[in-house]
Order: sequence, then structure tokens, then C-alpha cells
Amino acid sequence: GQNIDQPTEMTATEGAIVQINCTYQTSGFNGLFWYQQHAGEAPTFLSYNVLDGLEEKGRFSSFLSRSKGYSYLLLKELQMKDSASYLCAVMDSNYQLIWGAGTKLIIKP
Amino acid sequence: GAVVSQHPSRVICKSGTSVKIECRSLDFQATTMFWYRQFPKQSLMLMATSNEGSKATYEQGVEKDKFLINHASLTLSTLTVTSAHPEDSSFYICSAKSDRATETQYFGPGTRLLVL
Repeated sequence: GQNIDQPTEMTATEGAIVQINCTYQTSGFNGLFWYQQHAGEAPTFLSYNVLDGLEEKGRFSSFLSRSKGYSYLLLKELQMKDSASYLCAVMDSNYQLIWGAGTKLIIKP
Repeated sequence: GAVVSQHPSRVICKSGTSVKIECRSLDFQATTMFWYRQFPKQSLMLMATSNEGSKATYEQGVEKDKFLINHASLTLSTLTVTSAHPEDSSFYICSAKSDRATETQYFGPGTRLLVL
């Protein structure tokens, strides 16, 4: 079956760095997405990785290893507004999105 | 974990026809379902929120007469794109949550619509 795993909840301190991991097992691979979702709002696109390596975009970076079925989202210089759920989703060979359950990130002062 | 399915996964139709997309919660009762639209590598755009047994709440700019939503049961919501046009071609994603008090949404795999 198809499966996406990510931690349910993480806690970090304002100004610190946090890494949210995502492992996947899917039938085929056409890219991995990270979204940020604040409570009561629609998910916001953060990144898309289809090749191995690190993609940096400001304070956020996303890494992909296709051979390991693994990705992480790295958030630097954490701010209180980064408190949100972070969703990992993989597009399979049929261009369907397989979603992780999301990681709730709590930022403490 | 909670599973949400969508049917069909992809559909191609002629301009002017109507297309119905189903969203089902397979192992839980969904009090609330959401319909989103996504363009490539962009954020999901919330189209409407539907609560079981009541009329859907549409986001600003979304035509309720064009995008008909029916949340007839606790496990099924449908989105009908009426008189579809090529600009309606997109990836439509639904999500569901089991409790009005919870924020956790479970997302469906999406339906790719292509209007010729």
C-alpha cells in the first residue's frame, strides 16, 4: 500500500532550527510537496522536490532522497508565526496526491 | 489513519458539459468537507466548505451556481462543475474532518479535470 509518515507533533523554540521528516512508500513518484497550514486556513505551498538534493527558499529548505524515500523540511530562525501544521504529500505514478497526516509544530518563546 | 477517496481520479470532458466529482470519507464520519482547487505548484485555493445536511459556504469569487456542492451524508460530498469551460481545467482536491472542534483535515488524492 501507499504510505506517508511524518511525526504528529513537534515543539521548538523561537529563533531555533527545526527539521520535520517525511518518509514515503508510494507506487511511483512524481514529486514531493510540502505545505504549511495554519488553523482554519487553506494549505499554503512551500516547496516541490522531484530531484534529489536540497532546495533552499529563504528560511525554509526542503531535502529529498528518492532512493531512501525520505524528505525533510528545515525551518531556520523560527518565528512564532511558524506555528502551524506542515503537510508532506507525494504525487504518485498516476499523478494522485498521497498525503501525510501532517506535523503540528508548536513554537515556544 | 483516516482515508478520504475521490472519484474519478481524472476526467476529460467537452466544453459545456457538467462533471461530478465525489469525495468520500472511508473510515470515519465527516461532519465537514472542504473543496479546494490547485494550480501547478501553487497553494490550495479553498472553494467552499460544506457541513453535512446544510448548504455549502462558498469563498469570495467562487460561483455557487457553477460549482454545485452537495454534502448529502456524513461520508459523501459531491462537487459538480456545471457547463465546464477550458478555464475550469484544474486539480480539484477535497478534504474532510470528523469533528467541528478539530482542526485536522484529511485530504483526498485529487481529481484532475481537463475541459476541451
